[in-house]
Amino acid sequence: QLQLQESGPGLMKPSETMSLTCTVSGGSISSTSYYWGWIRQPPGKGLEWIASIYYSGNTYYNPSLKSRVTIFVDTSKNRFSLELSSVTAADTAVYYCARHVGSSYSYAYNPWGQGTLVTVSS
Amino acid sequence: DIVMTQSPDSLAVSLGERATINCKSSQSVLYSSDNKNYLAWYQQKPRQPPKLLIYWASTRESGVPDRFSGSGSGTDFTLTISSLQAEDVAVYYCQQYYSIPLTFGPGTKVDIK
Repeated sequence: QLQLQESGPGLMKPSETMSLTCTVSGGSISSTSYYWGWIRQPPGKGLEWIASIYYSGNTYYNPSLKSRVTIFVDTSKNRFSLELSSVTAADTAVYYCARHVGSSYSYAYNPWGQGTLVTVSS
Repeated sequence: DIVMTQSPDSLAVSLGERATINCKSSQSVLYSSDNKNYLAWYQQKPRQPPKLLIYWASTRESGVPDRFSGSGSGTDFTLTISSLQAEDVAVYYCQQYYSIPLTFGPGTKVDIK
């Protein structure tokens, strides 16, 4: 059974760069059948797509965040990661990683990780 | 960007009764080349990640009870819970995966009356 597990810093200060990792178990991130992605959810609010990536490194970004976001994959460790620079309080959210159910971004997400809360505060 | 809207914001339904949630996209998410609507529905319970219920607007994910159904095409979609159960209390989101950026609706909260 495929499982995804996010890991992150928990608490960050404004202007720092956030690094999150999603470790995949029960399946290979190098599968040609799937894209992988990051989605976030501010406390008590809705869902915002951040970025998606293929094992080959092909990426798609939300234009609203593109200037601050990098998504990359490490196939040797079966994980993918997200970096978000110059964080502010507005970046406080639960960050989820998830798998697209197909080989492009044009597929729904399933499954999702449990999420990791990142709080940005001075 | 494709803007997703949902109605109502919240609803309360008696156990065993029907719950209907609407989702509207600002432009069509029907891809003419494959005649598929690039629309998914998710259920999110408190302190849990979203769970995929429906994809391609009307295809139920494996393991999802058949009281959940999706319908609609183009820009207007509906998620129906035919007989509400206590475990269905959650927030429901629609999502388009037709174009970048992928976007979600604001969510509809379903409670028991």
